[in-house]
Amino acid sequence: EVQLVESGEGLVQPGSSMKLSCVASGFTFSNYGMNWIRQAPKKGLEWIALIYYDSSSKYYADSVKGRFTISRDNSKNTLYLEMNSLRSEDTAMYYCAKEAREGLFDYWGQGVMVTVSS
Amino acid sequence: DTVLTQSPALAVSPGERVSISCRASEGVNSYMHWYQQKPGQQPKLLIYKASNLASGVPARFSGSGSGTDFTLTIDPVEADDTATYFCQQSWNDWTFGGGTKLELK
Repeated sequence: EVQLVESGEGLVQPGSSMKLSCVASGFTFSNYGMNWIRQAPKKGLEWIALIYYDSSSKYYADSVKGRFTISRDNSKNTLYLEMNSLRSEDTAMYYCAKEAREGLFDYWGQGVMVTVSS
Repeated sequence: DTVLTQSPALAVSPGERVSISCRASEGVNSYMHWYQQKPGQQPKLLIYKASNLASGVPARFSGSGSGTDFTLTIDPVEADDTATYFCQQSWNDWTFGGGTKLELK
């Protein structure tokens, strides 16, 4: 059974940093691209970052480019999201999601809540 | 960015057929996917590449369309289908529609 378990949720002040983790199991983690997708309260879904299976390429949404960094450790089956210069508009539930072929997300974690507020 | 437009909400009675639409601001070939999100849960893949049923998803769900206009159909609707349904395209980066909240009468 595929499982994605995020951690690192919390409340932080604007301008601060935070790092999220996502531990994967039930599939060969090193064979698949992984993504972070967020959902602001009562809002829709926003894709924010993708990392290839071998970390050779990384892509970011314009809203987080230059502030967020996606990375992975295939030896630990773990995906990361380093978030710097956080803003109130970054307040959201953050999901990690496994990418299947053709850019769809076939498995999602349960999500972690990030709140940016003074 | 490719913008995906969905109707905000629909209300149907159990046993009826419902169609949820998604219109793309530009053509996305068949690279349209559908997800179901129940309150307090993560999204779940229902349909991929416009018309392919994801593993374990009941055959009551189906998808159609290509280019810019896509439809998710549930027939018949059951009480457990109360959820928000999102479309997502992967032809031009990755964007989601705003979601359609399905309520049962």
